[in-house]
Amino acid sequence: GIQVEQSPPDLILQEGANSTLRCNFSDSVNNLQWFHQNPWGQLINLFYIPSGTKQNGRLSATTVATERYSLLYISSSQTTDSGVYFCAAINSGNTPLVFGKGTRLSVIA
Amino acid sequence: EAGVTQFPSHSVIEKGQTVTLRCDPISGHDNLYWYRRVMGKEIKFLLHFVKESKQDESGMPNNRFLAERTGGTYSTLKVQPAELEDSGVYFCASSQQPNTGELFFGEGSRLTVL
Repeated sequence: GIQVEQSPPDLILQEGANSTLRCNFSDSVNNLQWFHQNPWGQLINLFYIPSGTKQNGRLSATTVATERYSLLYISSSQTTDSGVYFCAAINSGNTPLVFGKGTRLSVIA
Repeated sequence: EAGVTQFPSHSVIEKGQTVTLRCDPISGHDNLYWYRRVMGKEIKFLLHFVKESKQDESGMPNNRFLAERTGGTYSTLKVQPAELEDSGVYFCASSQQPNTGELFFGEGSRLTVL
């Protein structure tokens, strides 16, 4: 099955800083999604982005499917951005969504 | 339009007890999935329903876990008897297309087994 690798595993930022999280995947994808698990454990849908670029407020994401990676950009980080960011992908219709191990982000005031 | 809703948001039980988690998918979504994240590890797939049928249950860890989706609407995931290692967050997702379209996740049900 598809392998999903995320980097860095941990990231500490000062409030107001920008960051880039990376997701590499081992095969072509027909579904790629980014999620944020907040400190209370809730999973928040961020982007559905099998290709191209999307933006939502201070967050944006880009997937370069031909090179098998996706990037999540966080600008002007806030303490509420803390938590774990997951990338997940599917490469064929009959396989489940596979998650990476996540990037744990800590934003300090 | 309402998103995927899960209940309860948090459950605390003793080892050996039973817990039932409920998921209400987005209306009209035939595909329903259960995932879980235990002990701070990765989020792992448990099973996939298409309407009321189990399409893929390869991720179910053992026979203490029972998932149902009567009538093809909401789903329940029962853990009986619960063990300490079952503690974690259980997520439900739904989609219109099976695995190719966007999966919409609920916020999760946190299970703590003492």
